[in-house]
Amino acid sequence: KAGVTQTPRYLIKTRGQQVTLSCSPISGHRSVSWYQQTPGQGLQFLFEYFSETQRNKGNFPGRFSGRQFSNSRSEMNVSTLELGDSALYLCASSLIDSSGPTDTQYFGPGTRLTVL
Amino acid sequence: GEDVEQSLFLSVREGDSSVINCTYTDSSSTYLYWYKQEPGAGLQLLTYIFSNMDMKQDQRLTVLLNKKDKHLSLRIADTQTGDSAIYFCAEGSTGGGNKLTFGTGTQLKVEL
Repeated sequence: KAGVTQTPRYLIKTRGQQVTLSCSPISGHRSVSWYQQTPGQGLQFLFEYFSETQRNKGNFPGRFSGRQFSNSRSEMNVSTLELGDSALYLCASSLIDSSGPTDTQYFGPGTRLTVL
Repeated sequence: GEDVEQSLFLSVREGDSSVINCTYTDSSSTYLYWYKQEPGAGLQLLTYIFSNMDMKQDQRLTVLLNKKDKHLSLRIADTQTGDSAIYFCAEGSTGGGNKLTFGTGTQLKVEL
């Protein structure tokens, strides 16, 4: 099976712009989670989508949003970019049903976003 | 609240065993995970342990869980230079949904 894929791998934007990142989960996986990784804050949970619904949300401002499509692919969007949004954005997918506990998450290679 | 702590660095000689430690605070965690991250790459799942287990062995990897002290460790036997990476422990949320809380990561350096 193909792993989690993320596009693009690298992105350079300027302050004030917006950006959309894409994630394709492992085939058959229904849950997609997003994480931000920075040297200062480490790995932080952004949000999780399951069956096209946001099921869990981390402590990030409303500029960070996401969505999930019927084929489980997910996108996250960051509006009005700030310098501090420069980070590696990681997507993870897991095979989970709506009533199950936490399930093993498999990560993609990430999108490296640089905000100038 | 949830908090996961790890020591920042570990240096070992090739062929020795490495032990990476982690402490967590959420006693309701269902699963505890170990991930490996090499430079410029995403996170690779190494192994996980269910919270009602004390130990899990997977080839060169041994995970020990002390629930009373909320302490998790990862032992890598016969450490190789290819094991040089950052290792993250993570706890899984049980409050519904799928969320991992990660430790700060331990950078393992394997010297010849």
